[in-house]
Amino acid sequence: EPEVTQTPSHQVTQMGQEVILRCVPISNHLYFYWYRQILGQKVEFLVSFYNNEISEKSEIFDDQFSVERPDGSNFTLKIRSTKLEDSAMYFCASSERHPNTGELFFGEGSRLTVL
Amino acid sequence: QQQVKQSPQSLIVQKGGISIINCAYENTAFDYFPWYQQFPGKGPALLIAIRPDVSEKKEGRFTISFNKSAKQFSLHIMDSQPGDSATYFCAASMRGNTPLVFGKGTRLSVIA
Repeated sequence: EPEVTQTPSHQVTQMGQEVILRCVPISNHLYFYWYRQILGQKVEFLVSFYNNEISEKSEIFDDQFSVERPDGSNFTLKIRSTKLEDSAMYFCASSERHPNTGELFFGEGSRLTVL
Repeated sequence: QQQVKQSPQSLIVQKGGISIINCAYENTAFDYFPWYQQFPGKGPALLIAIRPDVSEKKEGRFTISFNKSAKQFSLHIMDSQPGDSATYFCAASMRGNTPLVFGKGTRLSVIA
């Protein structure tokens, strides 16, 4: 069964360092997302990406964040200068159609710990 | 207006009992209401979804009840099993290029 894969599964970094989280969405999917989940909290939307550009972003997704789909298969989330409050589980998701009409498939997440 | 309010935060149910989780929303433009199930260490996975043109949808032991006038929807898990122990999130989205908005989640524990 096709799945969304994410790497790394866990990353520990020092405050102020840059972090890149990688995702390989399901191959025929067109919509890509990053969500995050602070431990025990709700799943929060960060950004959506469609047709090689950001289609929507939340207030969490400030100038420290960026996304890229560099090669048609990978979808990355970069945090330029990490803060303690960026510690969370980051989930990549993809869908074949807009999530209003189809299922969103999530990866297993990348746990980011900022020290 | 973009929020989905979910309750309870946690729920303990005896094996074989009915688990009920409730969600409420304000934005009447929402027209798609999925429930996602998340096991520890995993990403959320779609469980069941409903649109406002029906009041109920059933898939196996899982049923969504939808009350459009009250702007509420709920998940019922019949004959709850220990394997159902997970965190359940309600969510909502609207037409157009807008993302899913999730509730805060309900941690369900089914005890034997």
